[in-house]
Amino acid sequence: AQTVTQSQPEMSVQEAETVTLSCTYDTSESNYYLFWYKQPPSRQMILVIRQEAYKQQNATENRFSVNFQKAAKSFSLKISDSQLGDTAMYFCAFMKENSGYSTLTFGKGTMLLVSP
Amino acid sequence: GAVVSQHPSRVICKSGTSVKIECRSLDFQATTMFWYRQFPKKSLMLMATSNEGSKATYEQGVEKDKFLINHASLTLSTLTVTSAHPEDSSFYICSAETSWSSSGKSSTDTQYFGPGTRLTVL
Repeated sequence: AQTVTQSQPEMSVQEAETVTLSCTYDTSESNYYLFWYKQPPSRQMILVIRQEAYKQQNATENRFSVNFQKAAKSFSLKISDSQLGDTAMYFCAFMKENSGYSTLTFGKGTMLLVSP
Repeated sequence: GAVVSQHPSRVICKSGTSVKIECRSLDFQATTMFWYRQFPKKSLMLMATSNEGSKATYEQGVEKDKFLINHASLTLSTLTVTSAHPEDSSFYICSAETSWSSSGKSSTDTQYFGPGTRLTVL
């Protein structure tokens, strides 16, 4: 079974600054996918970024980037130039590669508060 | 693209009644949909996996007779909470799985989520 650990229940950052959210996972799989989702106060889950484990290059999406360390089983999310709209709960998630469907394993989440 | 809708967004019902929640993929076909439950300030808990045209797969501890799931088409899955009780009050979220395409290469699926349904049972 896979586990996903987010060790920071809450984080705070000021607008325009950079913040890094940590995530570690445990798996015996060699092929898998990692995700960061955000859940703002509206509670809509939004996909932030996706990483394939077979890719060494770290995924980036505008101000969001990851630091994927496969050997260390670490998958941190860096948010640059933080904006007030980034205030949300952030969930790290793991999905193993499968020929059929695969379920997501979520971490407990990190609440990020961006202040003016 | 990859938009998932959920209806209703909020529902209040009396104890003992049944409530149906719809999940639709608006701009793609989803062979597989998932139903989650989320308690306040907690992570998502997978309840069941719904495959079009077949029976749903329920997670351990989830009563399949209480939470009826139907996936009649590639764009619609429904969750019916039967004989609802106050302890069923929660936030229910669905997701639909579609393929992620990067540089023309289709790889394993990614889940896109609906906006959720707040169920309150009086």
